Amino acid sequence: QQQVKQSPQSLIVQKGGIPIINCAYENTAFDYFPWYQQFPGKGPALLIAIRPDVSEKKEGRFTISFNKSAKQFSLHIMDSQPGDSATYFCAARTNFGNEKLTFGTGTRLTIIP
Amino acid sequence: DAGVTQSPTHLIKTRGQQVTLRCSPKSGHDTVSWYQQALGQGPQFIFQYYEEEERQRGNFPDRFSGHQFPNYSSELNVNALLLGDSALYLCASSSNPTATNEKLFFGSGTQLSVL
Repeated sequence: QQQVKQSPQSLIVQKGGIPIINCAYENTAFDYFPWYQQFPGKGPALLIAIRPDVSEKKEGRFTISFNKSAKQFSLHIMDSQPGDSATYFCAARTNFGNEKLTFGTGTRLTIIP
Repeated sequence: DAGVTQSPTHLIKTRGQQVTLRCSPKSGHDTVSWYQQALGQGPQFIFQYYEEEERQRGNFPDRFSGHQFPNYSSELNVNALLLGDSALYLCASSSNPTATNEKLFFGSGTQLSVL
């Protein structure tokens, strides 16, 4: 059973645009929501993460928006660059010790010059 | 400071064979998790090792087993390989408890192809 649904599957944005990737979750016990960036041939790398006690978190050009009542969260990339072209995964985890991460299916983002 | 290292990077096996994948965690980390990433999918949790014991397990059959050594390095073993086991196998390390350190660091993975 997929517990984290991610959309869109792929996304093409012009340089300088703001790609938005959305995720929805079902398990109300989730309370930690990271985003990972993965380049071809590499493992996922943590980009930014949020807890449900805040509605927004910004780190550099990356912003997470969180809607607890809707059980949805999204990643926004400001002033996108060709180097941001990668696959992005949302994930979720409960906070009981070293709980496993449940990942979305990924979004392949392409930033065109 | 070396990050998470995995070996080998690529592996080709035949159905029915057995395979062992290896992982060295990031310096200072004592917890190792293994994930399977099928083509075009997100990583799926296999299991986690801490203090040389399997602490959590995902929805994977007993053909998947692991081990953690006193130096915190880990192995993933898969017996009786199936075509569907073809995937990128990722190792991730962290410190316990995650209440104070929530970051998982992933290696670049081992690409396993089963023919």
